[in-house]
Amino acid sequence: QQQVKQSPQSLIVQKGGISIINCAYENTAFDYFPWYQQFPGKGPALLIAIRPDVSEKKEGRFTISFNKSAKQFSLHIMDSQPGDSATYFCAASDGSGNTGKLIFGQGTTLQVKP
Amino acid sequence: EPEVTQTPSHQVTQMGQEVILRCVPISNHLYFYWYRQILGQKVEFLVSFYNNEISEKSEIFDDQFSVERPDGSNFTLKIRSTKLEDSAMYFCASTATSGKQYFGPGTRLTVL
Repeated sequence: QQQVKQSPQSLIVQKGGISIINCAYENTAFDYFPWYQQFPGKGPALLIAIRPDVSEKKEGRFTISFNKSAKQFSLHIMDSQPGDSATYFCAASDGSGNTGKLIFGQGTTLQVKP
Repeated sequence: EPEVTQTPSHQVTQMGQEVILRCVPISNHLYFYWYRQILGQKVEFLVSFYNNEISEKSEIFDDQFSVERPDGSNFTLKIRSTKLEDSAMYFCASTATSGKQYFGPGTRLTVL
């Protein structure tokens, strides 16, 4: 019940295309859903996050869509660029939200071809 | 912009030896975490720390692991007797109250 399932494992997109990564969870106590971007040899960097009281959040080219009834959320990267090539992790925080541990998905390796 | 720092960037040790990984969280943050990432795998929670005590730990965080905030700025993870399977990237993270956890660059631990 503590798992977050992420797909696809890898993704190849042409420059200018839309990248879509999906995550699903079981624990209804999760109340904070961030996405992290990780470049090789670096730590995860917070990209964008959402709470269950909204169905969508947009920041620049990055959008989270959240479906509470389906217990799914997804990251959309519009106008994907080669510089977006990285590993993306969805995560969820249980219970306390602001201070809780993060449960990470398995990660998606995104390659954006020029 | 303030950031979490970690030292060393790479630690090589022999199996059975003790290692201490160090982190300096962002100065006004109150909640601290250690995570690990085995090569090619997902990031896994180890332990959370608040108000000078462990608030939660995972099943990975057994008696070989300990954490400490010795001086109000550093946050350390000690592994008493390293095993081969402890080889991983270890990330420190911190947060204030916004829910946003900021991660350090990590320490790569290699156990030989």
